[in-house]
Formats: sequence, C-alpha cells, structure tokens
Amino acid sequence: NAGVTQTPKFQVLKTGQSMTLQCAQDMNHEYMSWYRQDPGMGLRLIHYSVGAGITDQGEVPNGYNVSRSTTEDFPLRLLSAAPSQTSVYFCASSYAGYSPLHFGNGTRLTVT
Amino acid sequence: QKEVEQDPGPLSVPEGAIVSLNCTYSNSAFQYFMWYRQYSRKGPELLMYTYSSGNKEDGRFTAQVDKSSKYISLFIRDSQPSDSATYLCAMSGNAGGTSYGKLTFGQGTILTVHP
Repeated sequence: NAGVTQTPKFQVLKTGQSMTLQCAQDMNHEYMSWYRQDPGMGLRLIHYSVGAGITDQGEVPNGYNVSRSTTEDFPLRLLSAAPSQTSVYFCASSYAGYSPLHFGNGTRLTVT
Repeated sequence: QKEVEQDPGPLSVPEGAIVSLNCTYSNSAFQYFMWYRQYSRKGPELLMYTYSSGNKEDGRFTAQVDKSSKYISLFIRDSQPSDSATYLCAMSGNAGGTSYGKLTFGQGTILTVHP
C-alpha cells in the first residue's frame, strides 16, 4: 500500500517554464488537495477536489491549474513558473470530508 | 490576523521533559482538530485527531481542545530524541460539518529533544 505518491521529488525550473507535478493515491479516497509549504507560512491550500471531475480553488490558486479525471490522480500544473512559486508542494487525500488528510512526501521546486 | 496562530519556536528540551505545544484560532466554525508531525524532508503525518472539545490520549501524547477559549494543545510526556520534528496544528469544519478535505494549518513549531 503506497499511500500518496508524488513525483518528481525535486525540480528546478527557469522563470516562464511550465511543468506538471504528479500525485497519485491508491486508497480510493474521494477528496484530494494540493498545499504549498513556505517558511513561516505553514501549509496553504492551492486547489482541492471532492471527486473525479470536480475541483475548486483554495487559498492561493493563482498560477496553478488542476484537473481530476480519475479518482486516483490529481496533477498540479504550473502554467508559467515564477520565483514566487519556489516552495515545497504537498499532495494529500482523505476518504471523507471530515477525515484527516494523508500526505505525500512532497515535491521541492525551485524557480530561478 | 491569521485564522490559526502557532508559536514557531524553536523549542529545545532535554530528554524526558514534558512538552506543551499550543495553537489559538479565531474561526468558531472549526470542529475537527488535528496535530501532525513532520520530519525533515518528509510529509506531515497524523498524530492526533479530535472532534469538538475534550481530551484524547494516545500513549505519550495527549491532545486537548477548549472550544470556548479557541485554544488547542498537544502534550508530549517523557519526550525522546525521536520526537524531534516540526509539529503542526490543523483544523477544519463548517456549519455543514464537512471540510471537503480542506485544513487550515498553524505555522508549525520546531521541537528538538536533546539527549
């Protein structure tokens, strides 16, 4: 049972480049979400999904897109990377709206 | 003002000490309260999960929630060097009772337990 798997673990981008952060879970969880973690800011919600085909914005959605075509996968797309998007990104899932989240081990992104 | 405030520390204690970690919050709709532990270069892992007010104990860990004061605590007894990590409080809930998998986090407290 792998839980929540994120790839890649590390990535360096140049300003203006685009990329997709991958997230997959094998727990059949309906709820999935993306957070970014910055020093002194804690974890902030970027986008979330309550099921396949349904997504919504969180606290800091600008510059990011998501889609949810399957229950298992929830990729996060950076459209045109900016240095302000340098952060650690965590994907998480839960089986119900009131359940605690299970996190992946993160993608460490640097934008130069 | 942030919805959830947590003293970032850092906090350094000797092995065997009792550790107290705290968060305050402003949103009275929060109903579910969690503590996560995060080791360096890893994702947060759930330590404690409580609903509404009261205490919950699990081994050396005790979580307390006081909704009237909008204050939650995590106590670690007989702290060990392996407890050295960042501890994050998190909470969720709305009038409908579901959070849609969304949590609001504190900034995290860095704890070091030295032998």
